[in-house]
Amino acid sequence: EAQVTQNPRYLITVTGKKLTVTCSQNMNHEYMSWYRQDPGLGLRQIYYSMNVEVTDKGDVPEGYKVSRKEKRNFPLILESPSPNQTSLYFCASSLVPQGGSSPLHFGNGTRLTVT
Amino acid sequence: AQSVAQPEDQVNVAEGNPLTVKCTYSVSGNPYLFWYVQYPNRGLQFLLKYITGDNLVKGSYGFEAEFNKSQTSFHLKKPSALVSDSALYFCAVRDDTNAGKSTFGDGTTLTVKP
Repeated sequence: EAQVTQNPRYLITVTGKKLTVTCSQNMNHEYMSWYRQDPGLGLRQIYYSMNVEVTDKGDVPEGYKVSRKEKRNFPLILESPSPNQTSLYFCASSLVPQGGSSPLHFGNGTRLTVT
Repeated sequence: AQSVAQPEDQVNVAEGNPLTVKCTYSVSGNPYLFWYVQYPNRGLQFLLKYITGDNLVKGSYGFEAEFNKSQTSFHLKKPSALVSDSALYFCAVRDDTNAGKSTFGDGTTLTVKP
């Protein structure tokens, strides 16, 4: 089954303790991206990757890191989490035909709480 | 900079009535427009998209959307709403000059009452 898999689904941590949220897709998609969803703010893009070893900042990259060493994986790293990073996080992937006309495929989300 | 506005936080309709969820956008280049639906505790699911061609786009579950270039709008519609359509709906835009950036609206909660 074609899917985007995020782990963990739920994570509670303390301020400053480094964490990684994993994302993997099995559709051979070139493009992957991370978003955070907060009430009343919709989805905001954190980072995206057009292909292996190619990453770029989205609208809210502060406090986050990503890497794209393999096509299927795109982990989100919080080096020193803070309470304002408490949110629902989504990973997404798509093909990259010219112009970005392919729809995104989303994982089921990771609910992160930082105390 | 690109942006999406969904002017209504909430839309309430009776089952069997037509529904409209509004979306307006702003991009520098040509827009690629998408609608996604989110059910509780799930990720977003793709409903339909406009790339080019016919202004009326048909998608999943009987939904359709009308692209209006002069009004920069892409409203989601359905002729006859179902209770099961109740969910959170997001409009999104990508710019053909910057395929990596995806911008979403704040979302509209659709409630269909029996």
